[in-house]
Amino acid sequence: NAGVTQTPKFQVLKTGQSMTLQCAQDMNHEYMSWYRQDPGMGLRLIHYSVGAGITDQGEVPNGYNVSRSTTEDFPLRLLSAAPSQTSVYFCASRIGQGVYNEQFFGPGTRLTVL
Amino acid sequence: SQQGEEDPQALSIQEGENATMNCSYKTSINNLQWYRQNSGRGLVHLILIRSNEREKHSGRLRVTLDTSKKSSSLLITASRAADTASYFCATTTGANSKLTFGKGITLSVRP
Repeated sequence: NAGVTQTPKFQVLKTGQSMTLQCAQDMNHEYMSWYRQDPGMGLRLIHYSVGAGITDQGEVPNGYNVSRSTTEDFPLRLLSAAPSQTSVYFCASRIGQGVYNEQFFGPGTRLTVL
Repeated sequence: SQQGEEDPQALSIQEGENATMNCSYKTSINNLQWYRQNSGRGLVHLILIRSNEREKHSGRLRVTLDTSKKSSSLLITASRAADTASYFCATTTGANSKLTFGKGITLSVRP
């Protein structure tokens, strides 16, 4: 299994541009999440999905959009990038909502917005 | 707001010593987990302790959970230079079992 994969690894955008961060997992996990990591802030939950067709907001959802049309993919969209969205983005997945499930993380996407 | 808060923020020890890291949280949890992150990498799951458990072991790791104090500790025994990393506690809460993280502890193990 490839586990959780993310593309691209690095991205530079100009303010106002849009882009989609891709996330895929091949473990047939129902539950997927997006986090951003900023220095001194740890990881903050952006959006999550408990299954295909179902998404919900996390702690910091503003400026981000998600959809979950398949079990495997969970793309994160930035509609109009802002410098405040400069961060490292991690996608994660786990089997399901069960409370005893560990979470698997992708390698991250480092995004810079100029 | 973030659920978990780790203490200390940074820890530097000599190889062979034990490292103790603490985590406090604010609301009722389903479980508490600890993750490790090496520089420039993603997070790796270390250990999970359920809300009805008080102590759990995995190799050189020992985790305790005190739900009355809303706190947990992670003990790494006989530390190695390879244990140098950031460590995060994370809690799952609510019906959807959202997983939220603390800000992390930077552990440096000197050879």
